[in-house]
Amino acid sequence: DTGVSQDPRHKITKRGQNVTFRCDPISEHNRLYWYRQTLGQGPEFLTYFQNEAQLEKSRLLSDRFSAERPKGSFSTLEIQRTEQGDSAMYLCASSFNELAGGREQFFGPGTRLTVL
Amino acid sequence: AQRVTQPEKLLSVFKGAPVELKCNYSYSGSPELFWYVQYSRQRLQLLLRHISRESIKGFTADLNKGETSFHLKKPFAQEEDSAMYYCALISNFGNEKLTFGTGTRLTIIP
Repeated sequence: DTGVSQDPRHKITKRGQNVTFRCDPISEHNRLYWYRQTLGQGPEFLTYFQNEAQLEKSRLLSDRFSAERPKGSFSTLEIQRTEQGDSAMYLCASSFNELAGGREQFFGPGTRLTVL
Repeated sequence: AQRVTQPEKLLSVFKGAPVELKCNYSYSGSPELFWYVQYSRQRLQLLLRHISRESIKGFTADLNKGETSFHLKKPFAQEEDSAMYYCALISNFGNEKLTFGTGTRLTIIP
C-alpha cells in the first residue's frame, strides 16, 4: 500500500498521560497535514508542514500539542497531559505542492484516541 | 473567516432517484471547492473538485459564486453511493488548510 499510513490505529490512554502518533505520507509528497475529527463533525485543521517546516498552526493546537517532521518525511503528533476532550480521530493527510491544477490532499486511515 | 455549511446531516434517497447534497460556503475571496467522500470502513478520499469540472462516478458539482454554493448532484442514485460526504474549501491566498463542513450521510434505499 503506497498511501498515507498512520500508527497506531487505536490508542486508549488515561487522563494525564502523554501519547504520540506517527504519520507516514506518500513518499513524493512534500506537504503534510494534521486534522482532528470529533463525532458528528467534519475534520478540523490542526497544523501543516512543507518539507520539515511547520507553516501554520490552528488555535485548536494548545500548548499540550506538538508536531514535528524532522527530516521532511514522517511526522509525529504528541499530546501531553491528555484530557478527555482530546478524545477524537486524528487524521493525517499529504499532498504535493503543485503550481497549478488543484491541491488534492490524500488522507490516512486515522488514529482514534480515547482518553479515559 | 471561512466556513462551510452542509444543512443536511442525513439524506435518504431511493435507488434510481436524483440526489442533491447541499453545500454553502462563506469566504471573502475565491476559494477552491472540493467534495470528499468516506465509504464504510474506508478512508476519506477526494470525489471531485470544482476546477476540474469532471463528472466522477456520475456526480457533478457546479460552483455558484453568486449563491456561494457548491451542491453535489447525481441524476440516478446507486446503492454504492451510500456514504458520508464532506464539502470542503481551500482559500487561494497561500493558506493550505482544508475547511470542512459537518458532512451529510447519504443512504440509498434499494
